[in-house]
Amino acid sequence: GAGVSQTPSNKVTEKGKYVELRCDPISGHTALYWYRQSLGQGPEFLIYFQGTGAADDSGLPNDRFFAVRPEGSVSTLKIQRTERGDSAVYLCASSSGHSSAGELFFGEGSRLTVL
Amino acid sequence: KNQVEQSPQSLIILEGKNCTLQCNYTVSPFSNLRWYKQDTGRGPVSLTIMTFSENTKSNGRYTATLDADTKQSSLHITASQLSDSASYICVVSDIYTFKAAGNKLTFGGGTRVLVKP
Repeated sequence: GAGVSQTPSNKVTEKGKYVELRCDPISGHTALYWYRQSLGQGPEFLIYFQGTGAADDSGLPNDRFFAVRPEGSVSTLKIQRTERGDSAVYLCASSSGHSSAGELFFGEGSRLTVL
Repeated sequence: KNQVEQSPQSLIILEGKNCTLQCNYTVSPFSNLRWYKQDTGRGPVSLTIMTFSENTKSNGRYTATLDADTKQSSLHITASQLSDSASYICVVSDIYTFKAAGNKLTFGGGTRVLVKP
């Protein structure tokens, strides 16, 4: 696609439920990142994929959070047993590869509200 | 711990005026510094990327400076327009070596700019 696409744009769920957030990166981009942004804060790193593998998942807050990218393109962020503190905007970004100066392109984000 | 601090947290300026936003960082080893603009409810959009050897970079009315010795950067907005109202986020990348090359970005908290007519 022309840009990074994230779905759903908004998700309201109840405490304890399971949610999946999807990211479709720019075609051909091998690097994919998930970030979480709380109101009035900068994005917080969650996980980074290079191809199909999670090269760095040190930002995942606990084992309720998990992300996959089985074919090296679309990624899904999965949150189990959601808590109210999980409410935030989840941003996905992609870039073209290994270069440390590679441009990072962000999606519009998925706003998660846990009631 | 790598940190990026931005100031001020927010500011209000009149349309047509200039303003300067500040960014201090402790990220090491330094790779590059980026400024992003984030409109409310949207994803961040890149304005500039600067590496160690670059002192200044412009993108239209936006000019970023970098002093890698003092680990400081600034973003100057010239002749502000109403559409400049947004959050401006400073992002610093270190040289990421875990398993595969890539970026590990440290984000500042952003400066919220409101341009009034």
